[in-house]
Amino acid sequence: SQKIEQNSEALNIQEGKTATLTCNYTNYSPAYLQWYRQDPGRGPVFLLLIRENEKEKRKERLKVTFDTTLKQSLFHITASQPADSATYLCALESSASKIIFGSGTRLSIRP
Amino acid sequence: NAGVTQTPKFRVLKTGQSMTLLCAQDMNHEYMYWYRQDPGMGLRLIHYSVGEGTTAKGEVPDGYNVSRLKKQNFLLGLESAAPSQTSVYFCASSDSTGTISGYTFGSGTRLTVV
Repeated sequence: SQKIEQNSEALNIQEGKTATLTCNYTNYSPAYLQWYRQDPGRGPVFLLLIRENEKEKRKERLKVTFDTTLKQSLFHITASQPADSATYLCALESSASKIIFGSGTRLSIRP
Repeated sequence: NAGVTQTPKFRVLKTGQSMTLLCAQDMNHEYMYWYRQDPGMGLRLIHYSVGEGTTAKGEVPDGYNVSRLKKQNFLLGLESAAPSQTSVYFCASSDSTGTISGYTFGSGTRLTVV
């Protein structure tokens, strides 16, 4: 069956360190993968998209990798700050015009 | 620029009652979506629309109906609410590929069915 999995356990990181979140999927061949941030009581906010032919994408302190062989994407936040604390969702193309979301990983950055 | 606006923000329904959730976007997006979000389940697609006058079923469509009479609006209806429909509902919109700026989400509607 098709699955998209994120670490369901919360990730606690010391401020200034690099946070790394994982997204694994099975039985999909997505043309692209997206990452979103969601704060409590708010809707998800789009952060980055990476295509299947891209190994890595960067935006300010964010870096995303996409390994279609391992069927995995890694999301990194460098020099993490308490303001980065949120739930991060990965999403991948499941078919034309639709994406499917993982259940998210809660990230906490402690001062 | 409001983006995606959902109304209402909160609602409590009794079992068997009906209601309509309204989603409006001002970005001229072709595609619109309704998701529900439950603890531990992630976002699940209920229905979606790829253009004015068109709708299609998503992953969990049972118990819901939708309409897209105008490009900017996407309505989600519950004809006879059930406690299993207690959830947070999110509307989203995107350009025709969803790859330029991802999906833009509204702030959600928290629905409780008692």
